[in-house]
Amino acid sequence: DAKTTQPPSMDCAEGRAANLPCNHSTISGNEYVYWYRQIHSQGPQYIIHGLKNNETNEMASLIITEDRKSSTLILPHATLRDTAVYYCIADYSNSGYALNFGKGTSLLVTP
Amino acid sequence: DTAVSQTPKYLVTQMGNDKSIKCEQNLGHDTMYWYKQDSKKFLKIMFSYNNKELIINETVPNRFSPKSPDKAHLNLHINSLELGDSAVYFCASSLAGQGEGYTFGSGTRLTVV
Repeated sequence: DAKTTQPPSMDCAEGRAANLPCNHSTISGNEYVYWYRQIHSQGPQYIIHGLKNNETNEMASLIITEDRKSSTLILPHATLRDTAVYYCIADYSNSGYALNFGKGTSLLVTP
Repeated sequence: DTAVSQTPKYLVTQMGNDKSIKCEQNLGHDTMYWYKQDSKKFLKIMFSYNNKELIINETVPNRFSPKSPDKAHLNLHINSLELGDSAVYFCASSLAGQGEGYTFGSGTRLTVV
C-alpha cells in the first residue's frame, strides 16, 4: 500500500467547508483512496473512497487529482460533530491485507 | 442491533494476569481484525482472520493469541499482561477485499497496572 501524508491538524469554522488534503505520490494504478474518520473514543467510520473519478455521497466529496498523486476530502458544511481524526489510506481493494491507518488529520470544527 | 460488538468495554487488570476480549459481528462479513491504538493514537493492525483462518499476524508478541471459533467471532486472549499492553483494542470486520466496508467495534480500553 502506498504511503500517504496528511497535515497533523486543521481547524474549520462551523458551517464552512472543510477541505482535508492527502498526498499519495507513490500510489499505483490499482490502488484506491479510502477515507475514514474516528470520532473521539469511537472506532473508525468509513466515509468515502475512489479510484480515479471524483466521488460524492451523503457525507462528503472526494476530489482526486488527474495524476492521482493527491486527493482532497470535502465536508461541505462542517458541524461540531465532524470534529474527528480523518484518515486517508491508499490500498488495493483486494490486497488481502488489512487497511493501514496512518496518523491522520485531527480536524477541529469551531463554533 | 450492534453490528460489531466487543466486550468488555473497559478492562483494568494487574501485570502478569491473563485476560480475554471478545468480538462478535452480525454483518455476515467473512473477515475480522484486531487493531491496537496506543496512547499516541496510532492505529495498528495486529491480526486478521478470513473465514476462521489467520491471514495477517503482524509483529505482535506471542502472548497475544487470537481465536476465531466461527466467522462471526474473533476473540483476543492476552497472557502475562505487561504495562505496555495498555491501549484501546478495536475489533473490525469486512468482506474480504472491500476496503470501504470496514465496520469497527466501539473498542476495549485495557489498562494494566
